[in-house]
Amino acid sequence: EDKVVQSPLSLVVHEGDTVTLNCSYEVTNFRSLLWYKQEKKAPTFLFMLTSSGIEKKSGRLSSILDKKELSSILNITATQTGDSAIYLCAAPNFGNEKLTFGTGTRLTIIP
Amino acid sequence: DTGVSQDPRHKITKRGQNVTFRCDPISEHNRLYWYRQTLGQGPEFLTYFQNEAQLEKSRLLSDRFSAERPKGSFSTLEIQRTEQGDSAMYLCASSMSGGRAYNSPLHFGNGTRLTVT
Repeated sequence: EDKVVQSPLSLVVHEGDTVTLNCSYEVTNFRSLLWYKQEKKAPTFLFMLTSSGIEKKSGRLSSILDKKELSSILNITATQTGDSAIYLCAAPNFGNEKLTFGTGTRLTIIP
Repeated sequence: DTGVSQDPRHKITKRGQNVTFRCDPISEHNRLYWYRQTLGQGPEFLTYFQNEAQLEKSRLLSDRFSAERPKGSFSTLEIQRTEQGDSAMYLCASSMSGGRAYNSPLHFGNGTRLTVT
């Protein structure tokens, strides 16, 4: 059975700090890994990673995939209170695109 | 707004009642998924459709659950004889599939929060 594990489960930092969130996976027919941000409602898409070692960046957020280690990290620099959310990592089953999610990392930014 | 929409946003029901939720996907998306999310957990896959065909159902989906997508557009998820353990957020998502399907990330709706008392 496919498995995605995230750490830490929760993280509390001060505004301006840099954070690193971790995701590891065991997925048959691995093709990609996705990061989502979930505030109060719908998870919103952040990144899709398919190639090892290539960083994807969007503003203060960046993410990279390591296929050798079966893992990915999500970095957020100069955190702001608006970054407070649950960050979900997920891997789709190739073919039906059924996503297996981790439990998420709850990030809280203190002003 | 052309995102995924779900209705209702909240539903409170008594144990034993039936409930039905609706999802309207992004119009050009041919795949539609239902997920369930409980507190402190990531979303768990329930079922998915490609056009009107239901292609996979999770073992989580007991026979009290049924989903339909009659014309390949909107979908409904019905739970019969609800139990307290059914209390959760029910999320719908859609994507466009064809060719390199894994390049199409899922877009989620805001969910229906079900509380069974």
